[in-house]
Amino acid sequence: ETGVTQSPTHLIKTRGQQVTLRCSSQSGHNTVSWYQQALGQGPQFIFQYYREEENGRGNFPPRFSGLQFPNYSSELNVNALELDDSALYLCASSLATPGEGYTFGSGTRLTVV
Amino acid sequence: AQSVTQPDIHITVSEGASLELRCNYSYGATPYLFWYVQSPGQGLQLLLKYFSGDTLVQGIKGFEAEFKRSQSSFNLRKPSVHWSDAAEYFCAVGPNFSGNTPLVFGKGTRLSVIA
Repeated sequence: ETGVTQSPTHLIKTRGQQVTLRCSSQSGHNTVSWYQQALGQGPQFIFQYYREEENGRGNFPPRFSGLQFPNYSSELNVNALELDDSALYLCASSLATPGEGYTFGSGTRLTVV
Repeated sequence: AQSVTQPDIHITVSEGASLELRCNYSYGATPYLFWYVQSPGQGLQLLLKYFSGDTLVQGIKGFEAEFKRSQSSFNLRKPSVHWSDAAEYFCAVGPNFSGNTPLVFGKGTRLSVIA
């Protein structure tokens, strides 16, 4: 059973640029969620995808967008990067019903300079 | 709205001593509750979860947690801490049955272990 893998592990971007982060969900999981974790904080929910449709969104601006593909992998895109976007971005996969819990990847550390 | 409070930002315990990390939640129904651990620079690893049934749940690495509805608490315990337990611990409230409500995390408790 494979876990959740995220890429890249680290990257540095300049303010105003765009970034794409990738996530491969755990085998058999059809739901992917993305979280932003600022330094010293708990993870904050960005959005969730189920069967390629967004079905939940947190308090993040539209410049945060995502995709889910037929194989349930996912992308997080952030446009017009701001310094405050610097954070650890975590992807979690699960089944549509929460009984099995969520499996998290190791995250992508984004630094905006 | 759902919320999770972890009152202790940082706790230091001696190796071999017992540990209790506190978690209080606010939720309108029977919650799904989770404890995750995060080592520096790493993702989140699930320690244990509570959905229903026995209010004392056992997890990995010798951890357990007790759900107390009357106190809206889900405290994490370990009888004897090991140096490798030093990490950040997060309590989270899970989604409703439809599964389209996200996990809501507390701000975490950092555990330091001293010799």
